[in-house]
Amino acid sequence: TQLLEQSPQFLSIQEGENLTVYCNSSSVFSSLQWYRQEPGEGPVLLVTVVTGGEVKKLKRLTFQFGDARKDSSLHITAAQPGDTGLYLCAGPERGSTLGRLYFGRGTQLTVWP
Amino acid sequence: DAGVTQSPTHLIKTRGQQVTLRCSPKSGHDTVSWYQQALGQGPQFIFQYYEEEERQRGNFPDRFSGHQFPNYSSELNVNALLLGDSALYLCASDRMGRGLEKLFFGSGTQLSVL
Repeated sequence: TQLLEQSPQFLSIQEGENLTVYCNSSSVFSSLQWYRQEPGEGPVLLVTVVTGGEVKKLKRLTFQFGDARKDSSLHITAAQPGDTGLYLCAGPERGSTLGRLYFGRGTQLTVWP
Repeated sequence: DAGVTQSPTHLIKTRGQQVTLRCSPKSGHDTVSWYQQALGQGPQFIFQYYEEEERQRGNFPDRFSGHQFPNYSSELNVNALLLGDSALYLCASDRMGRGLEKLFFGSGTQLSVL
């Protein structure tokens, strides 16, 4: 059983389309992070959300943390081929240092030109 | 400023063999965590090293062991390799006590067990 469930598992869209991916849990997290991972590389941190209801924007990417701090979403506007990659959400174990994270299985996004 | 470096990048072993993977943390970082990422899965926490001691451990058998050196670099050892140990092994570094400071990952070592 995954502590963090991500959906959809795969997403294939055309350049210019909008999309949303989800990260859900039955547990409360003090924070959630979103990473992007490209083939042959390690995950790269995109954003950390901390406060319930928080919305953060990073250019065309909008991240939201649920009010109850159990879920998060990532919305991409006008997707580009460079957005292709595996999007992972992760959260720290309660009482743990940042280094111990629980990851979801990820959403594999492919954006076609 | 070099980020997290891991070696080797790829490794092929056979069942029953032993393997050692190496990691140098980002400059200024003192804590190293290791993760296993199987194909189609998210990374899973193996253990974390700080001040040359294992501080936290995930749900991995004793075949997985590690070490941290005085210069903060780290090794991951896996004994009696199984086919299921085939995965991307990621090292991540940060600085203890810095809260939500950014965690940096290396590019990983791709281990194939035949």
